[in-house]
Amino acid sequence: QKEVEQDPGPLSVPEGAIVSLNCTYSNSAFQYFMWYRQYSRKGPELLMYTYSSGNKEDGRFTAQVDKSSKYISLFIRDSQPSDSATYLCAGARSGNQGGKLIFGQGTELSVKP
Amino acid sequence: EAQVTQNPRYLITVTGKKLTVTCSQNMNHEYMSWYRQDPGLGLRQIYYSMNVEVTDKGDVPEGYKVSRKEKRNFPLILESPSPNQTSLYFCASRHDRAYEQYFGPGTRLTVT
Repeated sequence: QKEVEQDPGPLSVPEGAIVSLNCTYSNSAFQYFMWYRQYSRKGPELLMYTYSSGNKEDGRFTAQVDKSSKYISLFIRDSQPSDSATYLCAGARSGNQGGKLIFGQGTELSVKP
Repeated sequence: EAQVTQNPRYLITVTGKKLTVTCSQNMNHEYMSWYRQDPGLGLRQIYYSMNVEVTDKGDVPEGYKVSRKEKRNFPLILESPSPNQTSLYFCASRHDRAYEQYFGPGTRLTVT
């Protein structure tokens, strides 16, 4: 079983839709939960992170972690064509050596005008 | 501009021909890592380095070597590449916050 599971999609939505991206994880030691965004032919870039359980909002993006169910979510409101990318969830232990992030497979999102 | 650079960006080679992919960061980060990205498997860590002359294996280190002689550079060495090392490779660096990794643009390697 992979430590972080993510539906690879692809997911296609119309512009303006609310997008929900989800991951599950199995490692109870994870304290940090991240969402990275990867545009085609580019390296991943950090979009948002959450420490432990709870919600975090940044503009149109909301990250949510439920440690009791080991569930990670990213919500995108009023989605735009520029949001079209692959979204990678990741988990990490607190103070882990080498900055080892455990990534999900990534979900490819396409927002159609 | 703060960045991680990798070279080459694209490489096609033959089985057994040694190659090196370079990685350099200008943010004075202590930690550097190499990942490979494969369809259906996501990003997996190959090796990481916590500082100069300190390196350790990640999840998939077989067939790879690294060295960290300077803080800014972290080259990935494939002594005898094989077709199963065909992949997209990313170098990353960070300061002391595990979640905030900065990735390079990637190197697409094909081994025939």
